[in-house]
Amino acid sequence: GDSVTQMEGPVTLSEEAFLTINCTYTATGYPSLFWYVQYPGEGLQLLLKATKADDKGSNKGFEATYRKETTSFHLEKGSVQVSDSAVYFCALRRGRDDKIIFGKGTRLHILP
Amino acid sequence: SQTIHQWPATLVQPVGSPLSLECTVEGTSNPNLYWYRQAAGRGLQLLFYSVGIGQISSEVPQNLSASRPQDRQFILSSKKLLLSDSGFYLCAWSESGWVSGNTIYFGEGSWLTVV
Repeated sequence: GDSVTQMEGPVTLSEEAFLTINCTYTATGYPSLFWYVQYPGEGLQLLLKATKADDKGSNKGFEATYRKETTSFHLEKGSVQVSDSAVYFCALRRGRDDKIIFGKGTRLHILP
Repeated sequence: SQTIHQWPATLVQPVGSPLSLECTVEGTSNPNLYWYRQAAGRGLQLLFYSVGIGQISSEVPQNLSASRPQDRQFILSSKKLLLSDSGFYLCAWSESGWVSGNTIYFGEGSWLTVV
């Protein structure tokens, strides 16, 4: 069945380091892809999304490109900040039934 | 604008007791509604989703159930809680129909501890 696979965390980086969190998916058809962020003690917030192949989503310095050939949607940021410490979830939305499937999440910890 | 409300925010329940978590959405009609669970140290697990009143899809066999008595109301229930039901429960909604890139919006979540 359809699924989302994220790199396992936790990921620990120093401030201003380059960030990549890998995400790959398995799905039939043409899903939309999302990254959500969960700050400590809070619900999930949409970070960025892409709806078709080669689309690039971006927000708050984060970027991810919808790569259909590699079925990937990796999250990147050029210079992370302590305030980026959170759990990041990759997700897909199936077109045929609106079902939304999440990866297991990647905890990111940024050191000052 | 649309808003989603979920309650209670936290609750501690004994094993074997019933559960009722409620979720309502305002500012939209005929939304898709979802219940997710986030267990400690684990990811998000889709429990139920609904594309209309009385239409519930169950994703994981368990002792939980969901109901949608009104268009914008989604209820998560259990007759007898288990220890393994502890976790963070999130209600969510999205626009219905296939609109490319429909975003899913989450409530603030409910922390359930079964003791």
